[in-house]
Amino acid sequence: AQKITQTQPGMFVQEKEAVTLDCTYDTSDQSYGLFWYKQPSSGEMIFLIYQGSYDEQNATEGRYSLNFQKARKSANLVISASQLGDSAMYFCAMRANPNTGNQFYFGTGTSLTVIP
Amino acid sequence: GAVVSQHPSRVICKSGTSVKIECRSLDFQATTMFWYRQFPKKSLMLMATSNEGSKATYEQGVEKDKFLINHASLTLSTLTVTSAHPEDSSFYICSASLAGVWNEQFFGPGTRLTVL
Repeated sequence: AQKITQTQPGMFVQEKEAVTLDCTYDTSDQSYGLFWYKQPSSGEMIFLIYQGSYDEQNATEGRYSLNFQKARKSANLVISASQLGDSAMYFCAMRANPNTGNQFYFGTGTSLTVIP
Repeated sequence: GAVVSQHPSRVICKSGTSVKIECRSLDFQATTMFWYRQFPKKSLMLMATSNEGSKATYEQGVEKDKFLINHASLTLSTLTVTSAHPEDSSFYICSASLAGVWNEQFFGPGTRLTVL
C-alpha cells in the first residue's frame, strides 16, 4: 500500500525567508514519482515540482526545490525567498508504478502562511 | 501545460435532485481521468478512476450508484451526484493524464457543490 505523510499541518515563514515543508512516503514499488502541488484559497491545484524515483539529481523549478532522500523515503519541498503569494495549502503526492495503477496518493497537506 | 476545465464551478441544489459535473481536457486527449472529493481543510480523496470507453473503477467506500461516472470521449468525463443530500456537499475536483505520460496530472479548477 502507498502512503504519504505530511506532519506539519501549519507553517509560518517570514517574507523573503526560505521554508521547508516535510513529506515522507512509503511504497514497495521501485518506480514511482513524487509531486508537490499548491492549492490557494480559490481551490485550484497548481503543479509545482516533480521528482522521479530514479532521478539522481534533486528537482528544481525556480524558487522551488525538492530535497529527495530516497533511503529515508523523504521528499521535502524547499521554497526560497518566500513571497506573500506563497500562502496556500501544499500537498505532497505520489504516483506509484504505472503498471499497477495510475492513481495519485495525497498527503494531508500543510497550510503555509507567509508573514510580511 | 495542458488545460482541464470543469463546469459548473459552483452549484447549489435542493436535496433529492441530481447534479452533473463535467470535466473536459481542452487541448489534449485524456485516456484516464480521476475524480476527487475534498472536504474543507482536508486532503483530496480519490473517488474513482475513469477510463474512456469502459466502466469507472471506484475506490472502496464510494457508492457507484450514488456517484455515476461516464467517460464517453477522450476529452470529457462526467460525474453525476444522484439524489443529492446535504452530506454530499463538498468540493469535487477532476484531473486528467496524458496518454502514456504518468509523471504529470492536470487538475481542473474544481466544483463546489452545496446541497440544501
